[in-house]
Amino acid sequence: AQSVTQLDSQVPVFEEAPVELRCNYSSSVSVYLFWYVQYPNQGLQLLLKYLSGSTLVKGINGFEAEFNKSQTSFHLRKPSVHISDTAEYFCAVSDGRAGRRALTFGSGTRLQVQP
Amino acid sequence: GAVVSQHPSRVICKSGTSVKIECRSLDFQATTMFWYRQFPKQSLMLMATSNEGSKATYEQGVEKDKFLINHASLTLSTLTVTSAHPEDSSFYICSARDYLGSNEKLFFGSGTQLSVL
Repeated sequence: AQSVTQLDSQVPVFEEAPVELRCNYSSSVSVYLFWYVQYPNQGLQLLLKYLSGSTLVKGINGFEAEFNKSQTSFHLRKPSVHISDTAEYFCAVSDGRAGRRALTFGSGTRLQVQP
Repeated sequence: GAVVSQHPSRVICKSGTSVKIECRSLDFQATTMFWYRQFPKQSLMLMATSNEGSKATYEQGVEKDKFLINHASLTLSTLTVTSAHPEDSSFYICSARDYLGSNEKLFFGSGTQLSVL
């Protein structure tokens, strides 16, 4: 079984400042890692994912994340945020083995970008 | 890109009635769809995994007789909340798995906000 921990429920930040949203996971098997964004009253949109290869993954909207196996982390970063980045961000993990690939989500981090 | 359409986006119903939510993959065939539930300010919790042509696999604690899932075709899965009660009020989201060669992707519907009065 896998689990995902997002330590920060809310992250307030000023516009154009850098931001890091933290995500740690636990799993007894290899995993795939994801970050999703959810705008109000909408479904989830994939920001980026790590399947294998380079540990630094670049996604949409200027976001990137780094997979750190030793620290079991997959923190999301953006060097300069915009007001439009205000949303809920979910880190997720799935079993890297073939077969069932349902996602296990973290509790989410609310990013609040202030002018 | 691939799109998953979920309907309705919002539904209000009386206690005791049943509500059907549809999840369609518009431009790909989804052999597997997942149904999630999200309470306010909480994460998504997997309810069940739906495989085309077979019975759904429910997560522990999810009542299969209350949350009926049908996946009769490769592009449509439905979730029926039977005899809904106020505690069933929640945001329900489906996702569909698309295989593109060896590249697997998951796409999410826009969700359904269910309010049971």
